[in-house]
Amino acid sequence: AQTVTQSQPEMSVQEAETVTLSCTYDTSENNYYLFWYKQPPSRQMILVIRQEAYKQQNATENRFSVNFQKAAKSFSLKISDSQLGDTAMYFCAFMRWGGSEKLVFGKGTKLTVNP
Amino acid sequence: DGGITQSPKYLFRKEGQNVTLSCEQNLNHDAMYWYRQDPGQGLRLIYYSQIVNDFQKGDIAEGYSVSREKKESFPLTVTSAQKNPTAFYLCASSSTGPSIMNTEAFFGQGTRLTVV
Repeated sequence: AQTVTQSQPEMSVQEAETVTLSCTYDTSENNYYLFWYKQPPSRQMILVIRQEAYKQQNATENRFSVNFQKAAKSFSLKISDSQLGDTAMYFCAFMRWGGSEKLVFGKGTKLTVNP
Repeated sequence: DGGITQSPKYLFRKEGQNVTLSCEQNLNHDAMYWYRQDPGQGLRLIYYSQIVNDFQKGDIAEGYSVSREKKESFPLTVTSAQKNPTAFYLCASSSTGPSIMNTEAFFGQGTRLTVV
């Protein structure tokens, strides 16, 4: 069974600085997706970034980028130039591709951006 | 606009009663999911379905039931057997299959269930 681990329950960062959130996962699959979702106080889940396991290049979306280390089963999220609106819960998630597409989440990291 | 809709937003249940949470999507997604969210627990998978008339138990299925009679709909029933049902419930859907690229899960806005 796949598991996703986020080892940082809470983190804080000053506005305009950079922060990295950690995520590790356990799977025997070779084809899968990894995601970072953001959940602001409104509780709406918003996709931040997606990584396909077969792609070696790390995904980037504006101020958000990942460091995907397939052999180490690590998938960290870097937020550059942090903004107050980045304050939210961040969830790392795993989805197997091409079979039973069960979507599994980590327990989340609560990020606070301070002014 | 395409999307996924959960209703109601808030729901109150008396102990011993069954209650059904609605989830509807018009994204033409095959897969649908139900998650429970408690503080410090993240999102825990209750049930998921990849195709009409088929569904699988997730990690915490006890005390819950689902149906998937239509592609668009995946209602969740919280039964009286669920001992601690007060939680925030999220429904999601996604495209599936080996030919699907750039997949992601889309979420509803959630239902807050409180047992009174």
